[in-house]
Amino acid sequence: EVQLVESGGGLVKPGGSLRLSCAASGFTFSNAWMSWVRQAPGKGLEWVGRIKSKTDGGTTDYAAPVKGRFTISRDDSKNTLYLQMNSLKTEDTAVYYCTITIVVVPAAIVYFQHWGQGTLVTVSS
Amino acid sequence: SYVLTQPPSVSVAPGKTARITCGGNNIGSKSVHWYQQKPGQAPVLVIYYDSDRPSGIPERFSGSNSGNTATLTISRVEAGDEADYYCQVWDSSSDQGVFGTGTKVTVL
Repeated sequence: EVQLVESGGGLVKPGGSLRLSCAASGFTFSNAWMSWVRQAPGKGLEWVGRIKSKTDGGTTDYAAPVKGRFTISRDDSKNTLYLQMNSLKTEDTAVYYCTITIVVVPAAIVYFQHWGQGTLVTVSS
Repeated sequence: SYVLTQPPSVSVAPGKTARITCGGNNIGSKSVHWYQQKPGQAPVLVIYYDSDRPSGIPERFSGSNSGNTATLTISRVEAGDEADYYCQVWDSSSDQGVFGTGTKVTVL
């Protein structure tokens, strides 16, 4: 059974940093592309960024609002995905979900097949 | 950036059909995916590649995509279908994921 378990959320002051983790099991993590998606309280879903498998280059892409502040990484030996968040702003307050990302290249088809339960990040003074 | 527009809400009686639209510029040229999110829960993929259903999703859920509008159709609606629904595409011009604004489905 596929499982994605996020952790590391909490309360942080504006300008602060936080690192989220996503522990994966039930599938071959090293072969998977992974993404983070967030949802502000009472709002819709917002894609944050993705990381390719190391076989496919291991590169990352980010949404404009977080580019330069957030970094996605992975440790395939630990089956764990990370989201390092720096220079946090109040508008980063959200539940953060990690997802298994299915990609069909070169058709540019990308969707999110499995989701964790999410971890809440609150940015407030 | 690419924008996907959904109606904020759709109301439907049990046993009837709900149709949720997702509008975007020439969306018919893209592959559209749909997610269901019940209160307090993570989203669940219900339709991918415009009209395919993951295993475990009832046949009552179907999708279509043409021109500037994609549609998620829920037939024979049940009380358990009450949820928020989001469409999603990949914007290859900017290499970014894009979600629709979301539609709350209420079963009367």
